[in-house]
Order: sequence, then C-alpha cells, then structure tokens
Amino acid sequence: QKEVEQDPGPLSVPEGAIVSLNCTYSNSAFQYFMWYRQYSRKGPELLMYTYSSGNKEDGRFTAQVDKSSKYISLFIRDSQPSDSATYLCAMFYGGATNKLIFGTGTLLAVQP
Amino acid sequence: EAGVAQSPRYKIIEKRQSVAFWCNPISGHATLYWYQQILGQGPKLLIQFQNNGVVDDSQLPKDRFSAERLKGVDSTLKIQPAKLEDSAVYLCASRRFGTGSYGYTFGSGTRLTVV
Repeated sequence: QKEVEQDPGPLSVPEGAIVSLNCTYSNSAFQYFMWYRQYSRKGPELLMYTYSSGNKEDGRFTAQVDKSSKYISLFIRDSQPSDSATYLCAMFYGGATNKLIFGTGTLLAVQP
Repeated sequence: EAGVAQSPRYKIIEKRQSVAFWCNPISGHATLYWYQQILGQGPKLLIQFQNNGVVDDSQLPKDRFSAERLKGVDSTLKIQPAKLEDSAVYLCASRRFGTGSYGYTFGSGTRLTVV
C-alpha cells in the first residue's frame, strides 16, 4: 500500500465549475499537508499548506484536512482555464528530514 | 529572489552511458533535495542535503547514482551507468533551514530520456 493515494484523473470540467481534488494517506504520523500545482514541463509550485487538521482558504482555493479519516481535499471555486495543471498532494512528518511524500498527482483540464 | 536553477533542461542518452545534472539553489537555502519524477507519478525523494552533509539518501540507488554538494551551495547528481527505467524528470528543490513547510522551492527540472 502506498503511503499517499491520489486519483490520477484526468479530470475535465467546464469553466466556472467547482473542482474537488482528494488524497488519502495511511500513516497517522503525517503532520504537514500541502498541495502543489505543476504546469507542463515546470516544477511543482506550492499552492496551499496546512498544519494538522482543519480548513484553510486562499482566494478561490480551500484546503481541508481530516486527520481522523486520513483524508485531505483541495477545492477550487470558479475554476479557470489557467487552473489546468497537475495537482499534487504532499505531506511530511516533521522532524529532521522533512522529506515530502507526494501523491501521484491529478491532471485537471478546465474547458473554456 | 531568484529561483532554483537547474541544467540542462533536457538530456537524451543511450543506456549504459553516464549523465550529470546540476542544481543551484536559492541563495541562503541550507537544505537541498533531489527528487525523481517518473511520468504519471509524483516526485520521489532521492537525496537530501543539509549544507554539504547528507541527511537522507535511503532511496538513492547507490550502485549507479551519486550526488554531491560542494561548499554547501551547488549540487550535482550523476547516473552511471544509466538504465531505461531512469527516464524521468529530475527535480531539485531547496528550503531555508528552520522555516515551515512553505519554504520548499522547486526548479523546473531536467528531463532525462534513456534510449
């Protein structure tokens, strides 16, 4: 079993739709949760991060963490064609190494 | 601030040949990571440096991969000899020691194709 599971998609939605992206994980020791956006032929860029459980909102983006269910989500409101990218969830335990464990990524296409 | 610089952007080699990638992190970032991203997968950590010391290389295939970070700044990742399954994007990331999770910055990567 992978430590972090993510539906690879692809996910295609019309412009203006609400997008829901999800990841599950197996290790309850994860403390920090992040969402990265990766455009084609580019490196991942940090979109949202959350420590422990709860919600965090930034503009059209909302990140949710439910540690009791080992489930994290990213919601995109009023999706735009410029949101078309691969979305990667990532998490780490904290401590000395701080290495990120990534999901496989979900490819999102927002159709104009 | 300038981002993480990587070169080359693309490389095509034959199997059993050797190849090297270069990374220049953001100035002042003490922690440097090399990740391997195979097509359709998330990045996987190969090695982490803290200044010029190795913190974690547990997933680095040491029979063929090597990495160094001289003087705690630039880093090189080498593969010798390359195998077909090494075809991937090699991403370098850096992080300022002591900051929170938002401190990771990735470069654009080097896309390696082994034929």
